[in-house]
Amino acid sequence: SAVISQKPSRDICQRGTSLTIQCQVDSQVTMMFWYRQQPGQSLTLIATANQGSEATYESGFVIDKFPISRPNLTFSTLTVSNMSPEDSSIYLCSVSPGTGANEKLFFGSGTQLSVL
Amino acid sequence: AQSVAQPEDQVNVAEGNPLTVKCTYSVSGNPYLFWYVQYPNRGLQFLLKYITGDNLVKGSYGFEAEFNKSQTSFHLKKPSALVSDSALYFCAVRDRGLTGGGNKLTFGTGTQLKVEL
Repeated sequence: SAVISQKPSRDICQRGTSLTIQCQVDSQVTMMFWYRQQPGQSLTLIATANQGSEATYESGFVIDKFPISRPNLTFSTLTVSNMSPEDSSIYLCSVSPGTGANEKLFFGSGTQLSVL
Repeated sequence: AQSVAQPEDQVNVAEGNPLTVKCTYSVSGNPYLFWYVQYPNRGLQFLLKYITGDNLVKGSYGFEAEFNKSQTSFHLKKPSALVSDSALYFCAVRDRGLTGGGNKLTFGTGTQLKVEL
């Protein structure tokens, strides 16, 4: 299993500013994942963060808007840059320590972001 | 491509009655299937998964789900609902043929379960 600490839990930000979300895991994991959960919608994968290399972004997400750091095997940050009201969402980090039959995602408690 | 459909935005059930939350999926090959629950102001918690073997999967908090390959469904069930089961439930799928683990999960849009006294 894995315990994930994510902060901040919520924030209200002004348009044009940036917010950095931190994610700390209690064990070493190869990959960490960042999801966005927009109101009334499903979870959408933003990117996969690998330690020692650049993050891999999904279609529709770019590094300039969502820069990610992964300095070690237990920590990652996601920055939401130059925010607009459309960025208002819940942002979740997750890890999957197991593979194959042991595969399952563990999630942080999420960051509720509101952009004014 | 893989996809998940949760046809009901909300399910209402009386406490003590059985509940069903529906999920259908589409994958090219064979699926891994998951159910997650999200309580208010919390992250998602794993409930159960189907990998292979017995089509009836038992999970946390008395929930179970039945994998039906012919109907491509993985409905979540509980024999007797509790008020504390009220939450948002997500079904997710991954094609076993894809590599990369968790980053290839596709989630449904979620079903809000409301259990009333």
